[in-house]
Amino acid sequence: QPVLTQSSSASASLGSSVKLTCTLSSGHSNYIIAWHQQQPGKAPRHLMKLEGSGSYNKGSGVPDRFSGSSSGADRYLTISNLQSEDEADYYCETWDSNNWVFGGGTKLTVL
Amino acid sequence: QLQLQESGPGVVKPSETLFLTCTVSGGSISSSSYYWGWIRQPPGKGLEWIGSIYYSGSTYYNPSLNSRVTISVDTSKNQFSLKLSSVTAADTAVYYCARSYTGHDYWGQGTLVTVSS
Repeated sequence: QPVLTQSSSASASLGSSVKLTCTLSSGHSNYIIAWHQQQPGKAPRHLMKLEGSGSYNKGSGVPDRFSGSSSGADRYLTISNLQSEDEADYYCETWDSNNWVFGGGTKLTVL
Repeated sequence: QLQLQESGPGVVKPSETLFLTCTVSGGSISSSSYYWGWIRQPPGKGLEWIGSIYYSGSTYYNPSLNSRVTISVDTSKNQFSLKLSSVTAADTAVYYCARSYTGHDYWGQGTLVTVSS
């Protein structure tokens, strides 16, 4: 079963860019993942599906500022032109043999 | 636009059974290729997948909860349900229902369930 590893926290300044990382465990480097955003007190929101090739499909209404990329077992979420509303927890997710797994989440602070 | 809404008691006593229902609107729960799942989040912690049911009725559960979880579907009401038995304080969490195709793409707003006597 795959394991997803995320840094617990990240910070960046208003108007800048930030790149969050989700790392797949050994033997699972080609897995597709999903990125979700959870603003304080709200339900998670699906941002995108991201493949090992770096190809991604965003959810409905997700701003152009959000993009995805991949390198080996690492899956990235890049947020450009950071806004105050981007301050949130970000989770990655993957699935295997009808089991779903979430990463521990990264808390993003916008300075 | 697909919408999901959780409902059920906000407080459950220790050792009793937690029962939640998810009502789906804006789409059919019988649509092919989709899974319908439950995910929970203890206060201040991350997301944990509980289990899912496929449109065909097949069920899949988190191995860590497998012996206590049952997920069922009522296609006539466009609903699916969660039963979690023998609850303890560790089961206190916000419970979300969600649809999954490749990852969970539509989520309910969540409902807080507190296990307390």
